Amino acid sequence: KQEVTQIPAALSVPEGENLVLNCSFTDSAIYNLQWFRQDPGKGLTSLLLIQSSQREQTSGRLNASLDKSSGRSTLYIAASQPGDSATYLCAVRETGFQKLVFGTGTRLLVSP
Amino acid sequence: NAGVTQTPKFQVLKTGQSMTLQCAQDMNHEYMSWYRQDPGMGLRLIHYSVGAGITDQGEVPNGYNVSRSTTEDFPLRLLSAAPSQTSVYFCASSATRNEQFFGPGTRLTVL
Repeated sequence: KQEVTQIPAALSVPEGENLVLNCSFTDSAIYNLQWFRQDPGKGLTSLLLIQSSQREQTSGRLNASLDKSSGRSTLYIAASQPGDSATYLCAVRETGFQKLVFGTGTRLLVSP
Repeated sequence: NAGVTQTPKFQVLKTGQSMTLQCAQDMNHEYMSWYRQDPGMGLRLIHYSVGAGITDQGEVPNGYNVSRSTTEDFPLRLLSAAPSQTSVYFCASSATRNEQFFGPGTRLTVL
């Protein structure tokens, strides 16, 4: 059974720092991996999607990498801002299945 | 495009009552899914559909029914609400197996 783990569970940094969020998964037979952002009381906003054949994807200050063989993905946030404060979730879509398997998220707080 | 919409945003039910959570998308996506989000447990798949007329069970289907008569709509029915169904419910859609888009959620409390 696929399991997705996100470490750390919570992270607090001052504004301007570069930071890395980690996601690991137990079964490397994935179709793709998706990073989401969730603000308190809100839905999930898709940030980046990495197909299994890709190594990384970039969007603005965000860069996500994927190492399928080791079961790891990282989300790099450059020059963090208070507006980046949210919970970040990663999810893997297994080969042949429709469902996403989610991690429990990293709660990020960026202080001014 | 409105994306994925869900109604209602909030709902309070009494044990044993039934209700339907509505979900609609205007992106012509084949795949639609329902998840529930509970503290400490992440998001778990309830039911999903790969196209009109086709549905299947996810990880936690008990107590819920779905149907998909059109591409756009994917309602979730609670047959007899129980306190254990207190949760936040999210609907999602995607084309093929690509990027999933989520609705804003329905916050359900069962007393």
